[in-house]
Amino acid sequence: SQTIHQWPATLVQPVGSPLSLECTVEGTSNPNLYWYRQAAGRGLQLLFYSVGIGQISSEVPQNLSASRPQDRQFILSSKKLLLSDSGFYLCAWSVGWRNEQFFGPGTRLTVL
Amino acid sequence: GNSVTQMEGPVTLSEEAFLTINCTYTATGYPSLFWYVQYPGEGLQLLLKATKADDKGSNKGFEATYRKETTSFHLEKGSVQVSDSAVYFCALSDTEDQFYFGTGTSLTVIP
Repeated sequence: SQTIHQWPATLVQPVGSPLSLECTVEGTSNPNLYWYRQAAGRGLQLLFYSVGIGQISSEVPQNLSASRPQDRQFILSSKKLLLSDSGFYLCAWSVGWRNEQFFGPGTRLTVL
Repeated sequence: GNSVTQMEGPVTLSEEAFLTINCTYTATGYPSLFWYVQYPGEGLQLLLKATKADDKGSNKGFEATYRKETTSFHLEKGSVQVSDSAVYFCALSDTEDQFYFGTGTSLTVIP
């Protein structure tokens, strides 16, 4: 069966510090991968998606970046965090056409 | 463009009450439709789905029917429980394989 992992589960970082969040998927090949952010009490904002290794599409201009160094690994990064980067970050995967996305457990990021 | 609109929350119900959360969509072609549930502090879980018109998705007592004529996919449950308290998201996947989420509806069920 397929599983998706995210780490860390929680993170508290000072403003201006770097960020690296990791997402890995097991049990499937060549998935589409997604990073979402969810601000407190708000809906989902798609940040990045990837259809293959090294292929990243950005939905929202920001100080975040994403990379996909391996087929089932998706990394969200920042060189300098802002207060507004606080939120709940969710990774998701899907395969096939018009199929559902499956979500990881999320990372709660607090920037102080 | 494609979009999903769901009813504003929060919704508060007594245990065993009937639940309806409205969801309408705008899409070209024939999208797939989904309901997700998010419990506090967790990721989203797929609750149910429907891939073509008149399909009914169901799971854990929840149901939703894909209505192409009204472009709707309303979520219903006949008797809610305290454990159903969560945020519910309606979503669609279109023919371009793009995914669109509604803004979420918070449900609180009180004993």
